[in-house]
Amino acid sequence: AQRVTQPEKLLSVFKGAPVELKCNYSYSGSPELFWYVQYSRQRLQLLLRHISRESIKGFTADLNKGETSFHLKKPFAQEEDSAMYYCALKSENSGYALNFGKGTSLLVTP
Amino acid sequence: DAGVTQSPTHLIKTRGQQVTLRCSPISGHKSVSWYQQVLGQGPQFIFQYYEKEERGRGNFPDRFSARQFPNYSSELNVNALLLGDSALYLCASSLGQGGSKNIQYFGAGTRLSVL
Repeated sequence: AQRVTQPEKLLSVFKGAPVELKCNYSYSGSPELFWYVQYSRQRLQLLLRHISRESIKGFTADLNKGETSFHLKKPFAQEEDSAMYYCALKSENSGYALNFGKGTSLLVTP
Repeated sequence: DAGVTQSPTHLIKTRGQQVTLRCSPISGHKSVSWYQQVLGQGPQFIFQYYEKEERGRGNFPDRFSARQFPNYSSELNVNALLLGDSALYLCASSLGQGGSKNIQYFGAGTRLSVL
């Protein structure tokens, strides 16, 4: 069964501190993983996808097939990073739909 | 440039009623997906349509149905509403399926409350 697990419901860090949002997945095929972000009163939007291997707003995520993880990292958190973050797995078995984790709420305090 | 638009934004229904939610994709996008997001949970996949055909269905009862029109807009119907159907219903559109064509762009959602 395909599953995405985000173990932390809430993560609180100080401004300037490193941040890591954890995501683990279970999938028998070749995974395609995404991070989506939802800022307060805004719609869900794509932050990054593992295939593109790019850094967006200072965030990076590396797919680790051995550990079946796709953790989201940023070396220096900013207050504007406070948001809800969702890890998602693209499922070929369901018409390329997204299978989301439960989300992690990141709070960056000054 | 309009993003994905959903209507209505809010809806209140009573148990047993039927509801229709509407979604207009980004211009040029041919695929529409529907998700249900219950408070405190991530979005859960309901349906995906591409070129007016159903291409995927999540684990939802037959009370849930959807369709896609020739202009690629879509409707989600829910019959015999239950209290547990109260949720934010999200629509997402993408250019197509596979590769970068499947990057999904989300609407703001329809908040459905069942009393």
